[in-house]
Amino acid sequence: AQKITQTQPGMFVQEKEAVTLDCTYDTSDQSYGLFWYKQPSSGEMIFLIYQGSYDEQNATEGRYSLNFQKARKSANLVISASQLGDSAMYFCAMRPTNFGNEKLTFGTGTRLTIIP
Amino acid sequence: ETGVTQTPRHLVMGMTNKKSLKCEQHLGHNAMYWYKQSAKKPLELMFVYNFKEQTENNSVPSRFSPECPNSSHLFLHLHTLQPEDSALYLCASSQGLAGGTDTQYFGPGTRLTVL
Repeated sequence: AQKITQTQPGMFVQEKEAVTLDCTYDTSDQSYGLFWYKQPSSGEMIFLIYQGSYDEQNATEGRYSLNFQKARKSANLVISASQLGDSAMYFCAMRPTNFGNEKLTFGTGTRLTIIP
Repeated sequence: ETGVTQTPRHLVMGMTNKKSLKCEQHLGHNAMYWYKQSAKKPLELMFVYNFKEQTENNSVPSRFSPECPNSSHLFLHLHTLQPEDSALYLCASSQGLAGGTDTQYFGPGTRLTVL
């Protein structure tokens, strides 16, 4: 079984500052993938970034980067130069990468508010 | 239309009504999913279809009945629901391939209220 823990229910950050959203996970699988999604108030879950458990380098996608520390089982999302449009719920998720297993396990999310 | 679409976006129904939620994906994917998002709870996976075959039913009550006529369409038929079924219902799709990068892409969701 997998478990995702997001310990920050809410965060307030000044516009243009960098922000780190915490995510720790627990799994007995050797091979797994970690995902971050953004959910604006409109409801749609928007895929942001992916990190494989065997990837040696931290994933980056534009202003998003994933600080992956495998030994600590953490996969924190870093957003650089925050913008007002970054205000949303952010969810960390994971899934094993075994054949035929598609189940994503989500955390409870962090509500990020960017202050002008 | 692009990505994953869901209709209706909002639905209010009584406990004795029968209604259906529709999901359509325009990404050429083979796997489709229904999730339930209740307030202050993590997303709960309900059903998974891979190549039109149901591969997972996450102990969902029978008042929720999924249907997947083809790889592009997924329905969730609702009947005799309870007020606690009020939630945001999200549909997602993915390529359905084994391996970690089988990213799921979500639709905008249907906000369901059961009176």
